[in-house]
Amino acid sequence: GAGVSQSPSNKVTEKGKDVELRCDPISGHTALYWYRQSLGQGLEFLIYFQGNSAPDKSGLPSDRFSAERTGGSVSTLTIQRTQQEDSAVYLCASSLTSDNEQFFGPGTRLTVL
Amino acid sequence: AQSVTQLDSHVSVSEGTPVLLRCNYSSSYSPSLFWYVQHPNKGLQLLLKYTSAATLVKGINGFEAEFKKSETSFHLTKPSAHMSDAAEYFCVVTLQPTSYDKVIFGPGTSLSVIP
Repeated sequence: GAGVSQSPSNKVTEKGKDVELRCDPISGHTALYWYRQSLGQGLEFLIYFQGNSAPDKSGLPSDRFSAERTGGSVSTLTIQRTQQEDSAVYLCASSLTSDNEQFFGPGTRLTVL
Repeated sequence: AQSVTQLDSHVSVSEGTPVLLRCNYSSSYSPSLFWYVQHPNKGLQLLLKYTSAATLVKGINGFEAEFKKSETSFHLTKPSAHMSDAAEYFCVVTLQPTSYDKVIFGPGTSLSVIP
C-alpha cells in the first residue's frame, strides 16, 4: 500500500518568501507529526496532530510557522517570511494511533537562499 | 520533566564485534519505547518497539533491546556488527502526560562500522 508522501521533495526559495509543505499520511492514520532535521542533527519535533486538532504545538520555533490538517488526512506546514536558518529537511510521519509505529515520509528539503 | 538521553553521540565498532547503543529516559509515566534507524540519504525506519509486554524486545536485522525499569534504560544491542548497520539510531519515548501521547526523540547516535 501507499506510504507517507510529501511534496515537494525539494524547495529552493528566497529569504522572505512564504512556503507551503504538504504531507499525505497513510490512509486511516489518526496521528500525524512534523519534524525538522538540520544537516547532521537529530530530529526536532515541530507539531503533532490527532485527527484535525493539534494538542501539541510546542515545537514550532516561531510564529512564522503554522500547520493545519483537514479531513483528518492531508496536512500542510506553512513557513512565512522564510529565513536562512529555516533551511532543513522537513519530515512528516503518521501512525495509526500516537502509541504506534510512526511511518515517515521521504521529507522535503528546503533551502532558503 | 520528560526527556530521552542517548549517552553517546557517536559509536565506532569493528565489523563482527558487538554493538551497544545506550538510551535512558526520564519520566513519571509508563512509557512506550522505540528505536528507529536512519541510513544515509534514506528515510527513518522502525527497528523495534516495547509496549509493556516482554522486557526483551527483538527487532529487525538482528537488533534487540532490553527495557530495565529500575535503570530507566532501553539500550540497543546486536551481537555482531555488519557494515550495513552503519547509520544514525534514534531512541524514542512515547509518554501519556495528559489526554494525548507525547513523542520524544533522543538526539541520535551515529554508528560507524570499521571493516
